[in-house]
Amino acid sequence: DSGVTQTPKHLITATGQRVTLRCSPRSGDLSVYWYQQSLDQGLQFLIQYYNGEERAKGNILERFSAQQFPDLHSELNLSSLELGDSALYFCASSVLTGTGELFFGEGSRLTVL
Amino acid sequence: AQTVTQSQPEMSVQEAETVTLSCTYDTSESNYYLFWYKQPPSRQMILVIRQEAYKQQNATENRFSVNFQKAAKSFSLKISDSQLGDTAMYFCAFMKHGDNDMRFGAGTRLTVKP
Repeated sequence: DSGVTQTPKHLITATGQRVTLRCSPRSGDLSVYWYQQSLDQGLQFLIQYYNGEERAKGNILERFSAQQFPDLHSELNLSSLELGDSALYFCASSVLTGTGELFFGEGSRLTVL
Repeated sequence: AQTVTQSQPEMSVQEAETVTLSCTYDTSESNYYLFWYKQPPSRQMILVIRQEAYKQQNATENRFSVNFQKAAKSFSLKISDSQLGDTAMYFCAFMKHGDNDMRFGAGTRLTVKP
């Protein structure tokens, strides 16, 4: 158990809909990262927050947004969903930023029908 | 831009034998981290081993060790005494020191056969 909690574990929705994925980092970790893993592919970095502020942005679509709240949990919002958005979305956390120690949650499996 | 290449999509090994997974990367940076992550069927991403580029000594964690060749930009993972529980996808990853964007390779699916 990494200590990173993601909900929901599974989510099935229709095209055009909007969903929110939630992540609670390990206790004491200030950085939260979001990654997308499409079928049988590596992980693509989406976005990172550090202590409530956006720190880095990767290949995140404009239809997607995220935020980190004062209690350090984070939410990833996916809107106007398309079939290609079906993927495993991982949250990871670390104490500091840029030091390389990431702890991953179990992921949220999103299926868009 | 940094890229990570894993040229072996799938590999298999007999239980108790040794297997080596390959990884190469491309960067102009001198200070960075390299990682191997394991993703079993449970899909949890588990850190297997971590190497800091400024350290010449190869990292070792029990049955897992790396062969880090900085000049060649190569970072292979050796698994000794393979166990059935080692069956998983293995991802090689790169992160520049002070950066926040961990770059992953496409993964190698390892099957340990009884």
